[in-house]
Amino acid sequence: SYELTQPPSVSVSPGQTASITCSGDKLGDKYAFWYQQKPGQSPVLVIYQDTKRPSGIPERFSGSNSGNTATLTISGTQAIDEADYYCQAWDSSMIFGGGTKLTVL
Amino acid sequence: EVQLVESGGGLVQPGGSLRLSCAASGFTFSTFWMHWVRQAPGKGLVWVSRINSDGSSTIYADSVKGRFTISRDNAKNTLYLQMNSLRAEDTAVYYCARETIAAAGIGLDYWGQGTLVTVSS
Repeated sequence: SYELTQPPSVSVSPGQTASITCSGDKLGDKYAFWYQQKPGQSPVLVIYQDTKRPSGIPERFSGSNSGNTATLTISGTQAIDEADYYCQAWDSSMIFGGGTKLTVL
Repeated sequence: EVQLVESGGGLVQPGGSLRLSCAASGFTFSTFWMHWVRQAPGKGLVWVSRINSDGSSTIYADSVKGRFTISRDNAKNTLYLQMNSLRAEDTAVYYCARETIAAAGIGLDYWGQGTLVTVSS
């Protein structure tokens, strides 16, 4: 079955750029989606179709997807961006990565 | 404003049944495919099931196939998840979510607040 692999944790200093990777076999041939989930809250879509931001998502969030890796990039990371981030793709069923805890310190 | 409001969660014994509901508003429910996703305490997101817009096509994760049934009532703008033969490992917060429009690929653009299902004796 298809799997998506994320690093369990990523740390970044405020104002710096955070990159969260998501790896899967030929992931670049599929659309990648990214969700942000803060403690006690529901997930929020932050990137769809590899690179697009839904309305209301800050421009500092961007995405890319090529080869076997999709990447979520947060430029000028803020304390409010501290959250769990999940990548997702479709391969006959919906697949989520294991999630990455982003710490801003 | 799109709203998805789940209900029906609670404590149930192993082997028992529960039906979750998800009331949708703020969009034309009958034109969107819908999903259920769950999250065990302290764990990641796990997809459960998907239903097409008119309810004629459904798919399930292997872990729930044969035990869970997804359905919808477009007249009532409501999505359901009937859960039978519940196991301890089904304990989770269950979210309903709306699928993105076809051109955007298969993702989830709106999520409910979730309802907690606890399977324990």
